[in-house]
Amino acid sequence: GQNIDQPTEMTATEGAIVQINCTYQTSGFNGLFWYQQHAGEAPTFLSYNVLDGLEEKGRFSSFLSRSKGYSYLLLKELQMKDSASYLCAPMDSNYQLIWGAGTKLIIKP
Amino acid sequence: DGGITQSPKYLFRKEGQNVTLSCEQNLNHDAMYWYRQDPGQGLRLIYYSQIVNDFQKGDIAEGYSVSREKKESFPLTVTSAQKNPTAFYLCASSEIAGLGADTQYFGPGTRLTVL
Repeated sequence: GQNIDQPTEMTATEGAIVQINCTYQTSGFNGLFWYQQHAGEAPTFLSYNVLDGLEEKGRFSSFLSRSKGYSYLLLKELQMKDSASYLCAPMDSNYQLIWGAGTKLIIKP
Repeated sequence: DGGITQSPKYLFRKEGQNVTLSCEQNLNHDAMYWYRQDPGQGLRLIYYSQIVNDFQKGDIAEGYSVSREKKESFPLTVTSAQKNPTAFYLCASSEIAGLGADTQYFGPGTRLTVL
């Protein structure tokens, strides 16, 4: 079957760095997406990885290891507005996104 | 401004009534999707459409229906057959269907409450 595993909740301090891990099992693989979702709002696209390695985009970076079925999202210089849920979504062989329940990130001053 | 619009933002209906949720996009995207989100769960795909006048069932299509008469529009009807319709409904679109891993962009969502 297809499965996504992310921590349910994480807490971090403003200005710090946090890493949100995601492990996945899918039928085929066509890359992995990360989305941010603030409470009560729609998800917004953060990053896409299809090859192994690190993709950096400002304060956010995303890493992928296809052989390990593993990805992480790294958030640097945390700001209060980064308090949100972060959704890991690999794409299967049918180009369908498989969604995890997300990781709720709480930022404390 | 290009984007995806969903209306209304909040919707209340009595049990047993059908209700139609609107989704419109002016991004010229080929593919459109409907998802349902429940607390503590991942998004679940209801229906998707890769081209006008064609659509496919997702994982939880029972109790729902869609149409795709225009490229810009993909309305979702929640029928009285849907056993637990109260949820947050999200519409998304992507540029080119089935030819690669295209990013899906979401509308603001409609929160449906069935009383």
